[in-house]
Amino acid sequence: GAGVSQSPSNKVTEKGKDVELRCDPISGHTALYWYRQSLGQGLEFLIYFQGNSAPDKSGLPSDRFSAERTGGSVSTLTIQRTQQEDSAVYLCASSPRGLGHLYGYTFGSGTRLTVV
Amino acid sequence: DQQVKQNSPSLSVQEGRISILNCDYTNSMFDYFLWYKKYPAEGPTFLISISSIKDKNEDGRFTVFLNKSAKHLSLHIVPSQPGDSAVYFCAASYGGSQGNLIFGKGTKLSVKP
Repeated sequence: GAGVSQSPSNKVTEKGKDVELRCDPISGHTALYWYRQSLGQGLEFLIYFQGNSAPDKSGLPSDRFSAERTGGSVSTLTIQRTQQEDSAVYLCASSPRGLGHLYGYTFGSGTRLTVV
Repeated sequence: DQQVKQNSPSLSVQEGRISILNCDYTNSMFDYFLWYKKYPAEGPTFLISISSIKDKNEDGRFTVFLNKSAKHLSLHIVPSQPGDSAVYFCAASYGGSQGNLIFGKGTKLSVKP
């Protein structure tokens, strides 16, 4: 597609359940980022994939969070044993060759996760 | 410990006037600064960027000014239009961050007709 696609757009889950969020980046973009925005906060970096390199996981808040990127394209962010503080909008972005600091990322519309 | 700060959560201006959005940072290693605009229920969209070797970058109605000594940047929108009403995020990166951006909390701009 022409843009970054995320699914689902909204997800309500019970505390303790696992969730999977999906991101389909722009074709040809080798860099993929996950951020989250909690209520009243800025965007918080979670994880970064660049080509076949090992991902930068330095932003993941706990070991309940993990992400993978298959075939250098689609990425899945998994949150295990969800907690109420995980409620946020999870945003995926992609850019050509990790040059997002020069040209900006293209963000998807996000997945709004609500943990009840 | 916020490295990028947007101290004004909201700003209201009249259509046709100038909007000035401010951003302060603490990390002197930052070498690129970007502004994003976000409408409700949409992802942020890239607006304009500036390298730390410059003090001004202009793109149409949007100009970003960088004052490195003060660790301050600002986004000027002239003239402001109702369609500019959105949340504006300031972001910064440095060479070692591999393109990861550090964002401020955003300023909500309302442009009134």
